[in-house]
Amino acid sequence: DAGVIQSPRHEVTEMGQEVTLRCKPISGHNSLFWYRQTMMRGLELLIYFNNNVPIDDSGMPEDRFSAKMPNASFSTLKIQPSEPRDSAVYFCASSFRQTAPTGELFFGEGSRLTVL
Amino acid sequence: AQSVTQPDIHITVSEGASLELRCNYSYGATPYLFWYVQSPGQGLQLLLKYFSGDTLVQGIKGFEAEFKRSQSSFNLRKPSVHWSDAAEYFCAVAPRGGSQGNLIFGKGTKLSVKP
Repeated sequence: DAGVIQSPRHEVTEMGQEVTLRCKPISGHNSLFWYRQTMMRGLELLIYFNNNVPIDDSGMPEDRFSAKMPNASFSTLKIQPSEPRDSAVYFCASSFRQTAPTGELFFGEGSRLTVL
Repeated sequence: AQSVTQPDIHITVSEGASLELRCNYSYGATPYLFWYVQSPGQGLQLLLKYFSGDTLVQGIKGFEAEFKRSQSSFNLRKPSVHWSDAAEYFCAVAPRGGSQGNLIFGKGTKLSVKP
């Protein structure tokens, strides 16, 4: 079975440009998460969706960041305009929301973003 | 404030030696506890989790972890390390009764394995 698929794997862009990261969760999963990983701050939850609805976006750094999930099989994280401090690895993860409040998260391989 | 501490940033062990990675948490009540592993260039993979019951939990790849309430710890162990275990290991916690979005990760411990 295919895992969580993220694209692009690597992105190098210039400050001020728009960046769009994409994620396809595992089929059947109904929760989707966007994380950011940096050396300084470690793994940070940016936003998560349940059944395509954003539940908590308190981790989104600022208005330059936006995330959408138009359907159960696709999500985007957009940064506009991008800044050098946005350079990080962005992970998408999905899970099946069971009756237990926490289940296993399945992570994609990440999108490494470099903003020059 | 809720937090997860992994005191060791980097550990090097010889292949075949035993391993223990430390994790301490600060929480109002005993949370759900997890260990994830991240191989270079990869996403995170769940090694094991503790929800309740036996405080010694077994995971994949020969790893185990022990929950000690009195020490607010959930240390990861492996009796004999293999070169393929070289990776970064993350402890994570989530509150009971909370949602999946409340998963909080430690900063990670990078494991290097000497031949």
